[in-house]
This record gives sequence, C-alpha cells and structure tokens, in this order.
Amino acid sequence: DTVLTQSPALAVSPGERVSISCRASEGVNSYMHWYQQKPGQQPKLLIYKASNLASGVPARFSGSGSGTDFTLTIDPVEADDTATYFCQQSWNDWTFGGGTKLELK
Amino acid sequence: EVQLVESGGGLVQPGRSMKLSCAASGFTFSNYGMAWVRQAPTKGLEWVATISYDGSSTYYRDSVKGRFTISRDNAKSTLYLQMNSLRSEDTATYYCTRDAEPGYFDYWGQGVMVTVSS
Repeated sequence: DTVLTQSPALAVSPGERVSISCRASEGVNSYMHWYQQKPGQQPKLLIYKASNLASGVPARFSGSGSGTDFTLTIDPVEADDTATYFCQQSWNDWTFGGGTKLELK
Repeated sequence: EVQLVESGGGLVQPGRSMKLSCAASGFTFSNYGMAWVRQAPTKGLEWVATISYDGSSTYYRDSVKGRFTISRDNAKSTLYLQMNSLRSEDTATYYCTRDAEPGYFDYWGQGVMVTVSS
C-alpha cells in the first residue's frame, strides 16, 4: 500500500500563509488530491491532480508537487479555514493521509 | 445539484450483516464510478471499495475483501454496500462518494453511522 504521511497539526494566525505537506511512500505521479473536513461535516474536495482547483473553491487554496512530495497552500488563511485537511492518492489503489488539523491562533 | 443520500446504518452485533444504500440524484449516475469511504470515530478517512460506472469492475481494501460487496443499480441510481461478518473495527461513518476520473472523490454524502457491538 502507498502510505501518505502528513503532519498532525498546525497553528497559524489569520492573514498568514500556511503550507500543509503530504509525503508518499512511493511515487504517485500527479495523482494527489486534497480535501477539507470541518467538524461534523463530510469532506469537501479542494484540489485534484496535485494542482487543479475544484469547482467553487476559493483561489486562496492552491496545490503543488509531483512524485512523492506534495503541498497544499492557503494564502491568506481565514478564520473559516479551521478544519482537518487530508491528502489522497489514486495512483496505486486509493489511500488517504492521516490528516492535518489546522487551528487558528 | 448533485445529491448522495446514504441509508441503512445502525447498531449491529459482531458477525452479523448490514446493507447500506446510497440514492444519487442531480447527475447521470450510470456515467460515473462510485465508492465508499469510511471514518472511524475521531480517526482519519479510509477508502473501502470502488465500483466502475457499469458495475463490471470492483475494488476493495484488503481488510474487507471477501466480507463486503459493492454493487449498483443504474436504473435506480443507487449504490449499495453489503457488509457481512462485521467486526468491531468496521465501526465507522460510511460515506458514499462519486469517483471522478482519475480517482478523486468530488461529491460526498452526509454519511451513515455503522456501530458493530454486542
């Protein structure tokens, strides 16, 4: 299985830029996708195929990377961005990262 | 508007069976692969199973192979997950998702809770 590793938590102030990383145990080409999940809600697609913004998602969100290292960037961060962010790969079956909980200071 | 509405969850004893359903609307169901993704309480997301647009291909995570069966009825725009020999570790919220090529999940249902306990 392709294991995706994310940092467990981050804390940033509103207006700042934040980068959330995801490292794959083997190459996944550009087949990396990102989701946002707020408490009590279903996940929401943010970025697909590493860098493509999903429909209706603000341009403050962007994605980059290829191979094994990927990044989700939020710039600038807003209070409403408090959530857990998951990466997911679809190159070798489908697996998710453990999630990064983003908190605002 | 795309809608995915799950049903069929609840409390079930270990070793018993349960069948989840997902009613889809707002898009041409027969054009899309579909998947189930689960999330144990306070845990992360875990892909469970995927079915192709026409039902001819199915894929499962190792821990559910031989116990779970994903299926679909395109005439009814409905996705199913038959879960047999349930274990405590299957306790989770199960989400119905639309699988957009190439393998990301662009729409999610609200989820249905399955609790496996005696």
